[in-house]
Amino acid sequence: QTVVTQEPSFSVSPGGTVTLTCGLSSGSVSTSYYPSWSQQTPGQAPRTLIYSTNTRSSGVPDRFSGSILGNKAALTITGAQADDESDYYCVLYMGRGISVFGGGTKLTVL
Amino acid sequence: EVQLVESGGGLVQPGGSLRLSCEASGFTFRSYAMTWVRQAPGKGLEWVSAVSGSGGDTYYADSVKGRFTISRDNSKNTLYLQMNSLRDDDTAVYYCAKTEVGVAAPGAWGQGTLVTVSS
Repeated sequence: QTVVTQEPSFSVSPGGTVTLTCGLSSGSVSTSYYPSWSQQTPGQAPRTLIYSTNTRSSGVPDRFSGSILGNKAALTITGAQADDESDYYCVLYMGRGISVFGGGTKLTVL
Repeated sequence: EVQLVESGGGLVQPGGSLRLSCEASGFTFRSYAMTWVRQAPGKGLEWVSAVSGSGGDTYYADSVKGRFTISRDNSKNTLYLQMNSLRDDDTAVYYCAKTEVGVAAPGAWGQGTLVTVSS
């Protein structure tokens, strides 16, 4: 069974840039997987930032961008702010109606 | 503005059943596939099930296949998840989400409803 991989944790300095990645235990991520990224703070529902690789959801600042980097999907946050400190989840479409989430990345801004 | 409001969660004994609802507004419901995602306490997100806009195509994670049934009533703008043979490890907050690309790519999310399976 294919596993979706994410960094368990990452840290960034305020004002800095960070790139989180989303890969596969076997194979490469492409746009055909429609990678999407959601942000979740404790006790809150997830909020989708990016879907279908690089489409920003309504109201999401352009500090957040999505791309394919090498064999992984990537979420880049520029000008990191304190309230960017959250859990970030990617989800990939595996085909035949099935999607799989990654384990999430806990981002610390310090 | 897209709004999704889940309801129907609660405490149920192992082996019991529960039906979740998700009432949608702010978009043309029948034009979008919908999905259910859950999150066990302290854990990550887990994709559970999806249904096409017409309701004619349904998909399930292996962990719930044969026990859960997803459906929708487009006349009522409502998504459902019928959960049978519930187990302790089904305990989670269940979220409904509108998908943006066929049955893929969750977009807007509801606030979630908590299902607790315990004796």
